Amino acid sequence: KAGVTQTPRYLIKTRGQQVTLSCSPISGHRSVSWYQQTPGQGLQFLFEYFSETQRNKGNFPGRFSGRQFSNSRSEMNVSTLELGDSALYLCASSFPRDSNYEQYFGPGTRLTVT
Amino acid sequence: AQSVAQPEDQVNVAEGNPLTVKCTYSVSGNPYLFWYVQYPNRGLQFLLKYITGDNLVKGSYGFEAEFNKSQTSFHLKKPSALVSDSALYFCAVRDISYNTDKLIFGTGTRLQVFP
Repeated sequence: KAGVTQTPRYLIKTRGQQVTLSCSPISGHRSVSWYQQTPGQGLQFLFEYFSETQRNKGNFPGRFSGRQFSNSRSEMNVSTLELGDSALYLCASSFPRDSNYEQYFGPGTRLTVT
Repeated sequence: AQSVAQPEDQVNVAEGNPLTVKCTYSVSGNPYLFWYVQYPNRGLQFLLKYITGDNLVKGSYGFEAEFNKSQTSFHLKKPSALVSDSALYFCAVRDISYNTDKLIFGTGTRLQVFP
């Protein structure tokens, strides 16, 4: 079974631009979560989607948004990029509320804002 | 509020020696606890979990963890460290709020195994 895939793997953007990151979950998984990883703040939860609905959101400004499509693929968008948005963005998928309780992570997208 | 703490930023151990990476948690109710490992430029890989049952949990790559309810700890252990175990380790607890799979992570501990 293929794992979680994220595209692109690396991205360089300029302040003020916007960016869209993509995540394809493991086949059959319907829940997708996004996390931001930085050296200073560690791993922080961004948001979670299930059946095309956002069911949980972390403490991030409105510049961060996401969506989920009917095939469970998810995208996150960051508008008006700031230097502090430079981070590794990780996507995780799971089969919600199943007995394994595990989340499976993709390799991440490394975003650099200059 | 739920949280996990990893009190050590870095743990150094010689190859062949036992290793311990510490984690304590704060959760109201029964905790669902996880350990993940991250190698450079990679995502997180699942190592093991405690949901219920035996307090000693065995996971991937020879790692194990002991759930201790009285000390609210979930320390990661391995009897004999390998240089290839050098990586960043995260302890996490599942948010017990209704209808979410969200994980709350500790700050991570960098494990360095020296030959």
